Amino acid sequence: KQEVTQIPAALSVPEGENLVLNCSFTDSAIYNLQWFRQDPGKGLTSLLLIQSSQREQTSGRLNASLDKSSGRSTLYIAASQPGDSATYLCAVSSNYKLTFGKGTLLTVNP
Amino acid sequence: DTAVSQTPKYLVTQMGNDKSIKCEQNLGHDTMYWYKQDSKKFLKIMFSYNNKELIINETVPNRFSPKSPDKAHLNLHINSLELGDSAVYFCASRAAPETQYFGPGTRLLVL
Repeated sequence: KQEVTQIPAALSVPEGENLVLNCSFTDSAIYNLQWFRQDPGKGLTSLLLIQSSQREQTSGRLNASLDKSSGRSTLYIAASQPGDSATYLCAVSSNYKLTFGKGTLLTVNP
Repeated sequence: DTAVSQTPKYLVTQMGNDKSIKCEQNLGHDTMYWYKQDSKKFLKIMFSYNNKELIINETVPNRFSPKSPDKAHLNLHINSLELGDSAVYFCASRAAPETQYFGPGTRLLVL
């Protein structure tokens, strides 16, 4: 049974800092890995999707890496801004479904 | 245009009632999902349909019954609501190998 763990559970940083969010999964037989953002009281917004054959994906200030063999992914956020404050969810896709981690609550202080 | 829409957005009801949540996607995707996000914000899959056929049915009480009248719609009916059913229910759709697109969620509160 796939299990996804995200560390840390919460993170508070001053504006402008670079930061890394971590995600690990127990079963490396995945189809892809996705990072989502969830704002309070809102739905999920997809940030990045990495196919199992890829090592990383970049979008603006975000960079996600995938090491399938070790069951790890990181989301790197450069030059963080208060608008980045949200919960970040990692999810792995296998057997037609997504398995989510519990998320990292990020607060970027002005 | 909203890609994945859900109605209602909020639902407050008494224990024992039966309620339905509707979901529609205008993305032309073949696969749709229902997820439950509990009070601790943990998101878990409940059901998935592909071209109106059930392909995933996680360990969910049989009081929950999904229905897909066509590829663009996946509704969730809940019988005999219990306090523990209070949660946010998200609908999503996917066209492989792309990402899943989530609806805004339906916040269900059972009193």
